[in-house]
Amino acid sequence: EDKVVQSPLSLVVHEGDTVTLNCSYEVTNFRSLLWYKQEKKAPTFLFMLTSSGIEKKSGRLSSILDKKELFSILNITATQTGDSAVYLCAVGSIGGNKLVFGAGTILRVKS
Amino acid sequence: GAVVSQHPSRVICKSGTSVKIECRSLDFQATTMFWYRQFPKQSLMLMATSNEGSKATYEQGVEKDKFLINHASLTLSTLTVTSAHPEDSSFYICSARDNRVGYTFGSGTRLTVV
Repeated sequence: EDKVVQSPLSLVVHEGDTVTLNCSYEVTNFRSLLWYKQEKKAPTFLFMLTSSGIEKKSGRLSSILDKKELFSILNITATQTGDSAVYLCAVGSIGGNKLVFGAGTILRVKS
Repeated sequence: GAVVSQHPSRVICKSGTSVKIECRSLDFQATTMFWYRQFPKQSLMLMATSNEGSKATYEQGVEKDKFLINHASLTLSTLTVTSAHPEDSSFYICSARDNRVGYTFGSGTRLTVV
């Protein structure tokens, strides 16, 4: 059975800190790994990763995938209170349509 | 970019009634849509995969007679919660797969059954 495990489950930091969120997976015929940010409503897309070792960057957020070790990290530098959210990691497989989600990491950034 | 519209955003219904939730892809055609359920402080749980023009594929443990899915066109899928009970109260989110950007989510529907 496909599985996605995120850690930590929750995290409290101060503004300006850098955080690293982890996502490990076990999936048959891996196709892609996706990161989402969820505030009060539906998740918003952050990154889609398909190749190992290539960092994707968007402002203060970046992410990288290691297909050999089966994990990905999401980094947020110079955190702001607006970064407070649940960060979800999901994995899709080749030949399948659906995504398997991890439990999420609840990030709270204190001012 | 790809946009998925979901309605209603919030609904309160009486126990025993049915509720329909709509999910529309606004600027792309979605042959496949997905319906998720999310309990407070928990992750998204896939309920079913909705396929245009054919029957939905339900995940294990999801009652297909209770959660009716119809994907009548390439831009519209509906989820009907039949004979709703308080334990069906939850946040329901749809998602559509678009070849350009991957998976796009609707804004979700908070269902409260009283």
